[in-house]
Amino acid sequence: QVQLVQSGAEVKKPGASVKVSCKTSGFTFNIYGISWVRQAPGQGLEWMGWVSAYNGDTKYAQNLQGRVTMTTDTSTSTAYMELRSLSSDDTAVYYCARSKSVAAAKGTFDYWGQGTLVTVSS
Amino acid sequence: DIQMTQSPSSLSAYVGDRVTITCRASQSFSSYLNWYQQKPGQAPKLLIYAASSLQSGVPSRFSGSGSGTDFTLTISSLQPEDIATYFCQQSYSTPWTFGQGTKVEIK
Repeated sequence: QVQLVQSGAEVKKPGASVKVSCKTSGFTFNIYGISWVRQAPGQGLEWMGWVSAYNGDTKYAQNLQGRVTMTTDTSTSTAYMELRSLSSDDTAVYYCARSKSVAAAKGTFDYWGQGTLVTVSS
Repeated sequence: DIQMTQSPSSLSAYVGDRVTITCRASQSFSSYLNWYQQKPGQAPKLLIYAASSLQSGVPSRFSGSGSGTDFTLTISSLQPEDIATYFCQQSYSTPWTFGQGTKVEIK
């Protein structure tokens, strides 16, 4: 069965970086895309960006451009999201999610990781 | 960016009631609209994609409709396990954006 398993909770100081992993199984990783979505405490969902496991193409939300990098490792079927220059506004649960289709439905997310809480505090 | 506006923000209904949640987009995009259910402490779950297609494994009491700028999620007979927050999301153009959510409770 399709599974996305994320790395554990992180506590970071302002200005630091965090790298969250999303290990997948149960499907052919290198033909799909993975998006990252975050949710601040008590808030809604914010799409952060998308990475293609096929060719490494990326799309990032404009408000995160320059601070975020999304990558994949096809040898381990794992996706990564690195966020730099953290502030308290980045405190959130971060989710990875698989695109439903390799073609048209890139922006539809059919399987999600369990979430990783990133807390930014001095 | 396409703005997604859901209404109501919250609702309370009886078990067995028909529940309707609406989602309005700031621009038209045919049927690139998805609905997700999120229970407390859990990741979102895809319910409806392409406005009206039921995701595999989702109960048939959930249905979606609409096109253009106005979309609807309907729960035909509310069950206790449907207590959750529901989000619409457009997959037409990046940034893919979500509505602010509708919290559904039982009376």
